[in-house]
Amino acid sequence: DVKVTQSSRYLVKRTGEKVFLECVQDMDHENMFWYRQDPGLGLRLIYFSYDVKMKEKGDIPEGYSVSREKKERFSLILESASTNQTSMYLCASSLAGPSNQPQHFGDGTRLSIL
Amino acid sequence: AQSVTQPDIHITVSEGASLELRCNYSYGATPYLFWYVQSPGQGLQLLLKYFSGDTLVQGIKGFEAEFKRSQSSFNLRKPSVHWSDAAEYFCAVGSNQAGTALIFGKGTTLSVSS
Repeated sequence: DVKVTQSSRYLVKRTGEKVFLECVQDMDHENMFWYRQDPGLGLRLIYFSYDVKMKEKGDIPEGYSVSREKKERFSLILESASTNQTSMYLCASSLAGPSNQPQHFGDGTRLSIL
Repeated sequence: AQSVTQPDIHITVSEGASLELRCNYSYGATPYLFWYVQSPGQGLQLLLKYFSGDTLVQGIKGFEAEFKRSQSSFNLRKPSVHWSDAAEYFCAVGSNQAGTALIFGKGTTLSVSS
């Protein structure tokens, strides 16, 4: 069965810290995505990657970076965490190609920045 | 540019009653349409997808959706709602353009009353 695993379900960090959110998929998917989800705003795309070492900015990349050194792993980095980055973060993956492939999601990481 | 609108933020339905969740999209070419469900504290699960062909698509958990090109709609339906259907539902649109990601609506929260 398809599996996208996010390393933490809940995470509490302090402002100014560098925060790493990890995501691993076991489906050999080429595409991987990071979203943040806030009440009333739905899912907003932060970054996505369509191949190892490749990345594309989404709608809200400011304050974030990503790393994809291996096909199965996609990391989201908050360079200097701020309270407005408190949110639910969702990772997803899909087969290669354009956005006509269904995405498979992890269970999310609820991040609180104090 | 692609966009998705879910006009209803919150809907309450009695258990056993029928359900229709609305989704309108904007896209110049043939869209690829998806419905996802998110239970509290979980990631998103794919309910169904439309790529082409029969405009009435069947999904998991007894859900179906109908693509109406003339109305730019892809409404989700279920004939009889169960209490376990209470969740947040997201409509999404994709394209066949390389380097793109799914565009999600802001979601509709479904409550089920007994």
